[in-house]
Amino acid sequence: DQQVKQNSPSLSVQEGRISILNCDYTNSMFDYFLWYKKYPAEGPTFLISISSIKDKNEDGRFTVFLNKSAKHLSLHIVPSQPGDSAVYFCAAKETSYDKVIFGPGTSLSVIP
Amino acid sequence: EAGVTQFPSHSVIEKGQTVTLRCDPISGHDNLYWYRRVMGKEIKFLLHFVKESKQDESGMPNNRFLAERTGGTYSTLKVQPAELEDSGVYFCASSQEFGRGFFGPGTRLTVL
Repeated sequence: DQQVKQNSPSLSVQEGRISILNCDYTNSMFDYFLWYKKYPAEGPTFLISISSIKDKNEDGRFTVFLNKSAKHLSLHIVPSQPGDSAVYFCAAKETSYDKVIFGPGTSLSVIP
Repeated sequence: EAGVTQFPSHSVIEKGQTVTLRCDPISGHDNLYWYRRVMGKEIKFLLHFVKESKQDESGMPNNRFLAERTGGTYSTLKVQPAELEDSGVYFCASSQEFGRGFFGPGTRLTVL
């Protein structure tokens, strides 16, 4: 049973526009959420995170929004750049546990 | 600062053979995690070491998998005997603080 879901396997966006990647989770005990970015033949790289006590966290072009009641989070990239083309993994954990649960990933293509 | 390294980068073996994967974490990182990604699906947690102790091994598929971290430095993951369904990319990650792991490039294991 998948606890972290990313229902869009792929997304294409024009350079300069906004990219919105969505993630849903089922476990209400999750209280810390992370986004990782992965290029081919490389390991995932941490991008941004958010605690459940917040509903928004921003870092440069990247913003993560959390809607706890809907068990939904999203990653916004503005403006999108060709170098952002990668697979983005949503991940979640309970603070009291170290196990991080990953979603299946969304492949983002930013078209120049 | 050197990142997480994994060896080998690729391994192709026949069903029934034994393979040992190695992970060298970032120096000073007590936490070491093993993950596996199969067929482009989600990245699944296998186990977590704190120094040389197994903190959580709930994700280990079965007793054909054996992970060790002698001396609390590098870790090995042995699969014996390997089965077809063990094919995938095995990632190692290390961290100082929980939940924000630095990933290695992964070992792609193919079992024929």
